Amino acid sequence: QKEVEQNSGPLSVPEGAIASLNCTYSDRGSQSFFWYRQYSGKSPELIMSIYSNGDKEDGRFTAQLNKASQYVSLLIRDSQPSDSATYLCAVQESGGSNYKLTFGKGTLLTVNP
Amino acid sequence: GAVVSQHPSRVICKSGTSVKIECRSLDFQATTMFWYRQFPKQSLMLMATSNEGSKATYEQGVEKDKFLINHASLTLSTLTVTSAHPEDSSFYICSAGRVSNEQFFGPGTRLTVL
Repeated sequence: QKEVEQNSGPLSVPEGAIASLNCTYSDRGSQSFFWYRQYSGKSPELIMSIYSNGDKEDGRFTAQLNKASQYVSLLIRDSQPSDSATYLCAVQESGGSNYKLTFGKGTLLTVNP
Repeated sequence: GAVVSQHPSRVICKSGTSVKIECRSLDFQATTMFWYRQFPKQSLMLMATSNEGSKATYEQGVEKDKFLINHASLTLSTLTVTSAHPEDSSFYICSAGRVSNEQFFGPGTRLTVL
């Protein structure tokens, strides 16, 4: 059973702070990793993808991947109230060619003004 | 780019009726589409993987005769909930896979069965 674990939160940070979201996965052969943001009542929105060890930055978002530790994280700098949402970590299954993803249960982030 | 649409966005129906949901990739061709279900305050549950021109692959516990999936073209997949019952009320979301391995979600369909 391939698993993706996330702290369910809620994670509460003040506006302007750095929010740190963490995720671990069980499938050591996984090669592709994604972070989605889901606002209440809406569908998930892809915000970051990462495939190689290290950091990947896109605006205020930085994804970090450590395959040896089977760990992926998302940092949100200068957090804004509009960042308040559930963040889903998703891992693509190894050996598959059909892009099937395993999702964590999500971390609820609240950014307080 | 990478826009996925879903129709309808909301549907209310009587118990026993069938409901058809369409999922379209608007600006790319998707050989694979996925159907998820999400109950309130729970995570996404993959129901099935839909490949263009072939039968869908259903996840364990999902009844293939109740949730009919058709993927007739590279831009369209449909999910039909047959003989819907109140317990089928949920948020149904499709996604489409692109060659970059990224998966993009449609806006979802909220189904309420009375």
